[in-house]
Amino acid sequence: GAVVSQHPSRVICKSGTSVKIECRSLDFQATTMFWYRQFPKQSLMLMATSNEGSKATYEQGVEKDKFLINHASLTLSTLTVTSAHPEDSSFYICSVSAPGKYYEQYFGPGTRLTVT
Amino acid sequence: GQQLNQSPQSMFIQEGEDVSMNCTSSSIFNTWLWYKQEPGEGPVLLIALYKAGELTSNGRLTAQFGITRKDSFLNISASIPSDVGIYFCAGQLATGNQFYFGTGTSLTVIP
Repeated sequence: GAVVSQHPSRVICKSGTSVKIECRSLDFQATTMFWYRQFPKQSLMLMATSNEGSKATYEQGVEKDKFLINHASLTLSTLTVTSAHPEDSSFYICSVSAPGKYYEQYFGPGTRLTVT
Repeated sequence: GQQLNQSPQSMFIQEGEDVSMNCTSSSIFNTWLWYKQEPGEGPVLLIALYKAGELTSNGRLTAQFGITRKDSFLNISASIPSDVGIYFCAGQLATGNQFYFGTGTSLTVIP
């Protein structure tokens, strides 16, 4: 499968601060990346679709001004959690689709965010 | 988002036993994927299914794309301790390229 990296793997921040999470596609150029969040013992919830060179498409109920997504290059997408609160603490995971194979997704290792 | 229900929610089995789990939805999907996730890691793709009725194997794993296109099944034969983890199905609608995940099946294999 494809190699996808995320940075940082873990981050602890204070309430009210912003945190940026990076997702990199190491094996191929990805025009589309996806961001998910996962609460303990729960499923992955799709937050948004990140499109290179254009605005992200957010799922219903996800605040685009709180979760800023930037897909500035074909190998990098960033998710910024702005003015973080304890309820934003979660496991954030990105995925990439292989070129011409949008039906296959490969996931990064995830970022554990804890907001104190 | 879409609702995909997986059953069973959890399984405790003896090493060597076979495992069956399924995923159902009220929506029709064009693609089904099965993933395994271990604690603190991202999901790893196990099997991808692209058309109704398709049966695909990957080693001891076999998955099927339901005829109605609203469900999928995953079987694991002769389970081993390293099969432990949470298994998720994911479906892709005909419209859009997003995937929606099932509720997960937690598998514990007792040596």
